[in-house]
Amino acid sequence: GPKVLQIPSHQIIDMGQMVTLNCDPVSNHLYFYWYKQILGQQMEFLVNFYNGKVMEKSKLFKDQFSVERPDGSYFTLKIQPTALEDSAVYFCASSSGTGGREQYFGPGTRLTVL
Amino acid sequence: QQKVQQSPESLSVPEGGMASLNCTSSDRNFQYFWWYRQHSGEGPKALMSIFSDGDKKEGRFTAHLNKASLHVSLHIRDSQPSDSALYFCAARSSHNYAQGLTFGLGTRVSVFP
Repeated sequence: GPKVLQIPSHQIIDMGQMVTLNCDPVSNHLYFYWYKQILGQQMEFLVNFYNGKVMEKSKLFKDQFSVERPDGSYFTLKIQPTALEDSAVYFCASSSGTGGREQYFGPGTRLTVL
Repeated sequence: QQKVQQSPESLSVPEGGMASLNCTSSDRNFQYFWWYRQHSGEGPKALMSIFSDGDKKEGRFTAHLNKASLHVSLHIRDSQPSDSALYFCAARSSHNYAQGLTFGLGTRVSVFP
């Protein structure tokens, strides 16, 4: 079936540094998402991106976070600067539409902030 | 209070048996429900969606939705070892501007021989 790829699978970074998480969504999908999952807690929605713009974001999407997808390349989540509480697994998802359309998830990037 | 609550937290089922998972929402704006399954080291994968009251069957999996009580269930019959995974209930609002899914904490299913 359709696959979402995420690079890297694991990233270790010092607090205060910048990190970019990369997502290769399903090729014909138009809607892109990031979710955050802290160990032992539920997966939580961060942001929804469509047509070059943030459409919806949660309170977890701090000012230090930004997303973009320049010229159809990777859909990225950038955190600058990172904080200890940013340590989590970040999942990218994509969908072909809204409403009842399925969101396809990648395998996640485990981010460890030291 | 979490908007999507799942029970039980974990479930052990004999191979060939029936597994029953429950999900209750506290937000009446939720109109779309999914069951996702996640194997260790992988991302969640949608098992099935349900948007209308009643039952929906796909192979060994049957979902049930009661919108009045905001209750969704998933039943897995003839459970197989490959069904051992973390199962999430996910819901989405009917509002066009609200595309993010709200997940429950999950139910861990273990199928033993």
